[in-house]
Order: sequence, then structure tokens, then C-alpha cells
Amino acid sequence: RKEVEQDPGPFNVPEGATVAFNCTYSNSASQSFFWYRQDCRKEPKLLMSVYSSGNEDGRFTAQLNRASQYISLLIRDSKLSDSATYLCPFPYGQNFVFGPGTRLSALP
Amino acid sequence: GAGVSQSPRYKVAKRGQDVALRCDPISGHVSLFWYQQALGQGPEFLTYFQNEAQLDKSGLPSDRFFAERPEGSVSTLKIQRTQQEDSAVYLCASSLVADGSYEQYFGPGTRLTVT
Repeated sequence: RKEVEQDPGPFNVPEGATVAFNCTYSNSASQSFFWYRQDCRKEPKLLMSVYSSGNEDGRFTAQLNRASQYISLLIRDSKLSDSATYLCPFPYGQNFVFGPGTRLSALP
Repeated sequence: GAGVSQSPRYKVAKRGQDVALRCDPISGHVSLFWYQQALGQGPEFLTYFQNEAQLDKSGLPSDRFFAERPEGSVSTLKIQRTQQEDSAVYLCASSLVADGSYEQYFGPGTRLTVT
């Protein structure tokens, strides 16, 4: 089983702050990775795909560091609505292996 | 378009009962996955279908768990003789192609409580 390592948090950040967290993975030949967010008692929803060149979408920036085997998610100007658990599944064959997720709480 | 749907959304079963959980994937999606998610944990892989073929069932925790997708669309996860440790959220996801490099889209899940 390929493990995914994440800091479970919680990350408590004030509104407007910038927060970043990483997800480390075992060796993988996959070309793409993903960030999902999961709200309490809801299903995971795709936030961003992370390709070799990275990806930016508004306040969110995702990077892939293949040499160090981690992906990162940077959230700028945090909003209360960003409070959720962030998951970074590790592509393993056709499947995803999930870690515990990182919990983010944006505080007023 | 419609996303992945699951039914029932909530199920309470007495220990020893059999349950059947249904998943309707996004139309045209080849791959279908079942996951089990315990409270405070990430989803754990159970089984995977490519069309009607069950290609990986390595995550099924016991032979009480059985999944099928007979026509390559709707899937059913069946749990026989439920035990308390089966209490969890069961998530279904579908993907357009049979490749882990593609996004998976999740349904709302079925929350199973075994009493």
C-alpha cells in the first residue's frame, strides 16, 4: 500500500491570511495529482488538478515537486468559506489512496 | 449535468441484517469506485469497476462485502450480516476513463449505522 502523508492540522488561520500545506507521497509515475476539499458530512469535491507545471485558480495555487515527492496547496486571502478538510489522493494504478486530510479553519 | 447519485442517503441496520447501497455514476463514465470513510479518516478504497468488469476488489474488508455493476452503469454494494464495525459513510465515485490520472467525482455517500 502506498501511503500519503499529510499534517492533519487543524490549521487555524485568520481571515485574509495565506496558508500552505503539503502532501508527501511514495514513488509514483503518475503525471497528475489532485486536491479535493471535503466539508463536514459532505462528499469530497474536486478543487484542483495538479499537473507537472503546477496550477493556479484565483486564490489557490497548487504545485508538484516531483524530486521531493510532494504536492502543495497555497491559499491566499483566506475566507471563512475555505474552512474544510483538504485531501490529496495518491494515484495508485486506477485507484486513489487517500491520507487523513488536512483540516483548515479560517477564523473571523 | 447530473452528478453521481447514491441511495439511500442514510441507512440504519440492525446487526446481522443485509443492506444494499446503490450508486448511479455520471452518464458515460467508464470507471466506478467504492470507498469507505470512517469518521475523521480519509476515504479507503474498496473496489473498482471498469464498465461491468470488477477489476480490483482488494479493499473489500471481508467476504460479507460484495459489489456488482452488471450493465456497466449502476452499481450496488451489498453488505451481508452487518456488523457494528461496518458503520461508516460509503462513497461512490466515477471517472470518465480507466486511468488513475483522471479526476474522480464523488456522490454524496450513504451513511450506514449498524446498531
